[in-house]
Amino acid sequence: NAGVTQTPKFQVLKTGQSMTLQCAQDMNHEYMSWYRQDPGMGLRLIHYSVGAGITDQGEVPNGYNVSRSTTEDFPLRLLSAAPSQTSVYFCASSYSPSGGTLTDTQYFGPGTRLTVL
Amino acid sequence: KQEVTQIPAALSVPEGENLVLNCSFTDSAIYNLQWFRQDPGKGLTSLLLIQSSQREQTSGRLNASLDKSSGRSTLYIAASQPGDSATYLCAVVEDSSASKIIFGSGTRLSIRP
Repeated sequence: NAGVTQTPKFQVLKTGQSMTLQCAQDMNHEYMSWYRQDPGMGLRLIHYSVGAGITDQGEVPNGYNVSRSTTEDFPLRLLSAAPSQTSVYFCASSYSPSGGTLTDTQYFGPGTRLTVL
Repeated sequence: KQEVTQIPAALSVPEGENLVLNCSFTDSAIYNLQWFRQDPGKGLTSLLLIQSSQREQTSGRLNASLDKSSGRSTLYIAASQPGDSATYLCAVVEDSSASKIIFGSGTRLSIRP
């Protein structure tokens, strides 16, 4: 298993540009999520999904869109990049056997380091 | 609003020592608590998960405890090794919907050979 993969590893954008961060997992996990990590602030949940076709907002969703058309993929879209979105982005997945509950541990991807100028 | 705090932000100890990392949270109504390890430039690796009904979990040289009433969890590392050097984060899951996962900012641990 490759686990959770993320592309790209690094990205530099100009203010106002849009882009999509890719995330894929091959563990047949139902639950997937996106976090951002900023210095001294820990990780904050952006969006999450409990299965294909189902997404919901986390703590800091503004400026980001997600969709979940397949179990494997959970892309994160930045609609109009802003310097405040400079951060490291992590995708995570876990197996949720009973109605979308987080009963087991999450597997994290290696992260995407995004800089917005 | 739930807040998760990890103090100290950084810790340096000589190899071989036993050590304790601390995590505190403000609202005791949690679903579970998890400890993660993060190596520089890498993602997070899950170490231990404690359900709200449990008091502790053990994995090898690691032992995590949970005291919901006092809003505290500790991660005990026995016989520390240089390979244990990393940032350790705790995270509180507030409910079964998993929509509220609050991370602490981590403790950066350095083990001196």
